[in-house]
Amino acid sequence: KQEVTQIPAALSVPEGENLVLNCSFTDSAIYNLQWFRQDPGKGLTSLLLIQSSQREQTSGRLNASLDKSSGRSTLYIAASQPGDSATYLCAVRGGNQFYFGTGTSLTVIP
Amino acid sequence: EAGVVQSPRYKIIEKKQPVAFWCNPISGHNTLYWYRQNLGQGPELLIRYENEEAVDDSQLPKDRFSAERLKGVDSTLKIQPAELGDSAVYLCASSPERASGEQYFGPGTRLTVT
Repeated sequence: KQEVTQIPAALSVPEGENLVLNCSFTDSAIYNLQWFRQDPGKGLTSLLLIQSSQREQTSGRLNASLDKSSGRSTLYIAASQPGDSATYLCAVRGGNQFYFGTGTSLTVIP
Repeated sequence: EAGVVQSPRYKIIEKKQPVAFWCNPISGHNTLYWYRQNLGQGPELLIRYENEEAVDDSQLPKDRFSAERLKGVDSTLKIQPAELGDSAVYLCASSPERASGEQYFGPGTRLTVT
């Protein structure tokens, strides 16, 4: 069974700092990997989707990379803002299943 | 474009009572998912529909949970009877494609069983 791990569980940074969130998975046979953010009491908002044939995707200040062979993905956030404070989850699609990590809770301090 | 709609947003019930959640996916999305998310955890898939067919319900506790998507559009998830351990957020998501589609989530229903 696919296992998805996100480290660290929580991260606190000062505003303006660049940061990297990590996601690792145990089975490299995946269709895609998707990064989400979740605000307290809210559903998940899709940030970036990387297909298995892709190495990275970019949207604004966000850049996600995928290295299937090593079972790793990173989400890079440039010039962090207080509005980026949320929980970030990665989800791996393998076969017909989606496997989620437990998330990294990010706090950006003004 | 309207997003995934879920109702109710919050529900508090006593144990042993029934409860139902409703989801309307994004128009044109054939695939619909129901997830359960416990506090501090990632979502766990309960059931996945392709149109009106439940193609993956291996994680659905069938003794008390049921779901339907009769016309291949909106869907209902039911719990009867509810137990204390069912307290969680129930999320619905939809996707336009089978294998490579991006998932779009609704706001969820927070269930509290007392």
